Amino acid sequence: KQEVTQIPAALSVPEGENLVLNCSFTDSAIYNLQWFRQDPGKGLTSLLLIQSSQREQTSGRLNASLDKSSGRSTLYIAASQPGDSATYLCAVRGSNAGNNRKLIWGLGTSLAVNP
Amino acid sequence: ETGVTQTPRHLVMGMTNKKSLKCEQHLGHNAMYWYKQSAKKPLELMFVYNFKEQTENNSVPSRFSPECPNSSHLFLHLHTLQPEDSALYLCASSQDFAQPWATNEKLFFGSGTQLSVL
Repeated sequence: KQEVTQIPAALSVPEGENLVLNCSFTDSAIYNLQWFRQDPGKGLTSLLLIQSSQREQTSGRLNASLDKSSGRSTLYIAASQPGDSATYLCAVRGSNAGNNRKLIWGLGTSLAVNP
Repeated sequence: ETGVTQTPRHLVMGMTNKKSLKCEQHLGHNAMYWYKQSAKKPLELMFVYNFKEQTENNSVPSRFSPECPNSSHLFLHLHTLQPEDSALYLCASSQDFAQPWATNEKLFFGSGTQLSVL
């Protein structure tokens, strides 16, 4: 059964720092992995989607990497800003039969960027 | 603005009440989803509708009753809820649940309904 873990659960950094959020998954048979952002009391916004054949995806100051064999993904945020403060969630979609269409979610990393 | 609108934003109801949550998407998508988000738990997929047909029901109690009259609207009817049902209920849509392998496959979420059951 796929399990997704995100470490750390919470992170507080000063503005301007580069930071890395981690996501690990137990079953490497995934189809893709997505990173989402959630602001307090709000819905989720998709940030980056990495197919299993890809190593990384970039969007602006965000870079997500994927190492399927080791069951790990990282979200790199460059030059962090207070507006980046949010919870970041990782979700994987399996490639095996059965539950392969469902997204399995992590609990998220709550990020606070202090001015 | 994600193109997915949920109402109401907040809802407080007693255990004997009946209420409905509404979701509307303006993205031309064919698949719509209900998720439950509780504190300290991963998102839980509740229901999936694809082309107005329910394709997933993840063992959700019958006190939650979904309705999808067309591809743009999704409802979640609530009755005789329990306090443990208090959570953020999120609606999402995607182009087509039957084809999740598309490289541009993404979920678009509404802002959610924060539900408190007293």
